[in-house]
Amino acid sequence: DAGVIQSPRHEVTEMGQEVTLRCKPISGHDYLFWYRQTMMRGLELLIYFNNNVPIDDSGMPEDRFSAKMPNASFSTLKIQPSEPRDSAVYFCASSRTGVGAFFGQGTRLTVV
Amino acid sequence: AQSVTQPDIHITVSEGASLELRCNYSYGATPYLFWYVQSPGQGLQLLLKYFSGDTLVQGIKGFEAEFKRSQSSFNLRKPSVHWSDAAEYFCAHNAGNMLTFGGGTRLMVKP
Repeated sequence: DAGVIQSPRHEVTEMGQEVTLRCKPISGHDYLFWYRQTMMRGLELLIYFNNNVPIDDSGMPEDRFSAKMPNASFSTLKIQPSEPRDSAVYFCASSRTGVGAFFGQGTRLTVV
Repeated sequence: AQSVTQPDIHITVSEGASLELRCNYSYGATPYLFWYVQSPGQGLQLLLKYFSGDTLVQGIKGFEAEFKRSQSSFNLRKPSVHWSDAAEYFCAHNAGNMLTFGGGTRLMVKP
């Protein structure tokens, strides 16, 4: 198995632009998580899905953030409009039972 | 609220020395506990996990961890550290379906 695949690995964008991060979970996993990692806040859970349905989005910082999972093999995290304080590494993770998780390599987002 | 605490932000050990990274959790029931390692620029890799049963669990790369309910701890150990072990280590627990992470411990290895 290729593991959790995220794209792009790096994204640099200007403030105000829309950013879309993509994730392909491990096949057969029914839970998908989006995390954000910063020096100041560490690892924060933004949202998670179970069977493609968003279960808990209480970690999503603002309405500028949205996430979708149209099918079992794909999810997106969108930021519109982006701001410099959104600069972070965004991780997608998946698991089969909701216990533990396997992580992707992350997307390093820089908003200038 | 459930939480995970890693008291040591940084630890430096000499290559070949033993290692123990501390982790404490607060959760009423027996939690599912995990240790992850993150190398620079990489994602998090699962080292080991504890669900139930034997309180001493073995993981990859020669790591082990011991669950101690009385101390609410799940410390990570390795008898002899290699230079390639330099990384950041995260303890985590599952409460419900969500993983909650500690703040991480950055391990540096001296030659």
